[in-house]
Amino acid sequence: ETGVTQSPTHLIKTRGQQVTLRCSSQSGHNTVSWYQQALGQGPQFIFQYYREEENGRGNFPPRFSGLQFPNYSSELNVNALELDDSALYLCASSLGSYGGYTFGSGTRLTVV
Amino acid sequence: KNEVEQSPQNLTAQEGEFITINCSYSVGISALHWLQQHPGGGIVSLFMLSSGKKKHGRLIATINIQEKHSSLHITASHPRDSAVYICAVRSYNTDKLIFGTGTRLQVFP
Repeated sequence: ETGVTQSPTHLIKTRGQQVTLRCSSQSGHNTVSWYQQALGQGPQFIFQYYREEENGRGNFPPRFSGLQFPNYSSELNVNALELDDSALYLCASSLGSYGGYTFGSGTRLTVV
Repeated sequence: KNEVEQSPQNLTAQEGEFITINCSYSVGISALHWLQQHPGGGIVSLFMLSSGKKKHGRLIATINIQEKHSSLHITASHPRDSAVYICAVRSYNTDKLIFGTGTRLQVFP
């Protein structure tokens, strides 16, 4: 079975720009969740998608948005990038909310 | 106060030592996860627990639901165990994962 793949692995953007991060879910998983991990901190929940619908959101502003596609892959979009958005963005897939999670290797975003 | 607290924050050990990392949480949970994160950033799921104890190789995880506490033990530690170990709980109310800040473990030969 395939794992979770995230792309790109690294990205540098300028303040005010927009970015799209991508995540493929593990085969058989229908739920994808996204997390932001600042340096030296634990990951923070951004939102979760189940069968193409957002079904949970953390304390992130609306400029953080997402999509889930029929094949359960997902995108995270961030508009109007701010310096504080610099972080490692992790996605994880699971079968519903009650199964184990498989994490991707993350996308490291640097906003300058 | 964070909903998930880990201790210690940093841990240094000599190869072969027995390691214990602790996790306490203050919310109702449906499951607790122990995760391993290497310097590149990728996270590997080690255990998912809702009660009792699980063992995989040299790793043992225990949970006490009444005391809202879990421990991760590493027996006969090895330099390749060097990583950040993160405790995460799935909130019973929201179903979302809440993470601790991690324990940075360094094992020296």
